[in-house]
Amino acid sequence: DIQMTQSPSSLSSSVGDRVIITCRASQSISSSLNWYQQKAGSAPKLLIFGASHLQRGVPSRFSGSGSGTDFTLTISSLQPEDFATYSCQQGYSTPHTFGGGTMVDIK
Amino acid sequence: QVQLQESGPGLVKPSETLSLTCTVSGGSINSYYWSWIRQPAGKRLEWIGRIYTSGSTNYNPSLKSRVTMSVDTSKNQFSLKLSSVTAADTAVYYCARVISSGWGAFDYWGLGTLVTVSS
Repeated sequence: DIQMTQSPSSLSSSVGDRVIITCRASQSISSSLNWYQQKAGSAPKLLIFGASHLQRGVPSRFSGSGSGTDFTLTISSLQPEDFATYSCQQGYSTPHTFGGGTMVDIK
Repeated sequence: QVQLQESGPGLVKPSETLSLTCTVSGGSINSYYWSWIRQPAGKRLEWIGRIYTSGSTNYNPSLKSRVTMSVDTSKNQFSLKLSSVTAADTAVYYCARVISSGWGAFDYWGLGTLVTVSS
């Protein structure tokens, strides 16, 4: 199985801050990396697919980059509704696997 | 707007079979892959497997011996059966649609249903 490792596991930030979350795959997954936002008690919401493609309806302050094994999710200016847990997921091969999540909370 | 809704028992006894159904509304179930994903409390998401509307399946090897997925296109539903459950199978179970663009992402999710394995 491909292992997905996220860092940091948690971070505290303020509204307006730029936030960067990283995800590393245990082997190359080309650009088949997807990012989700999950709020407590809710299902994950797709933000970015194919490493850099913004899902319809997702604000443009979210962006993704990377290929191969190293990827980043950037929130350019953190908004109050962005405090949540973010997870990466590889869609390159089955079994599809997820990262352990990064919890973004209020400083 | 596509909507997914999981249904099934919230409590299953150890050694018995967990059975869940996902009903798709607002769109056709045809020509997509559909997945089951679970999340134990405080842990990462785990992909259980996927089924295409033809009935073709792929399962997570860690669960393969216990998992069966099926699809009923006439009802716009797909289902999950997980046999011989233990406490380790306690989790929120989600059904989800696989995005059509080929990246293996999940673009629509059900709300999730908590299944507890306990006697």
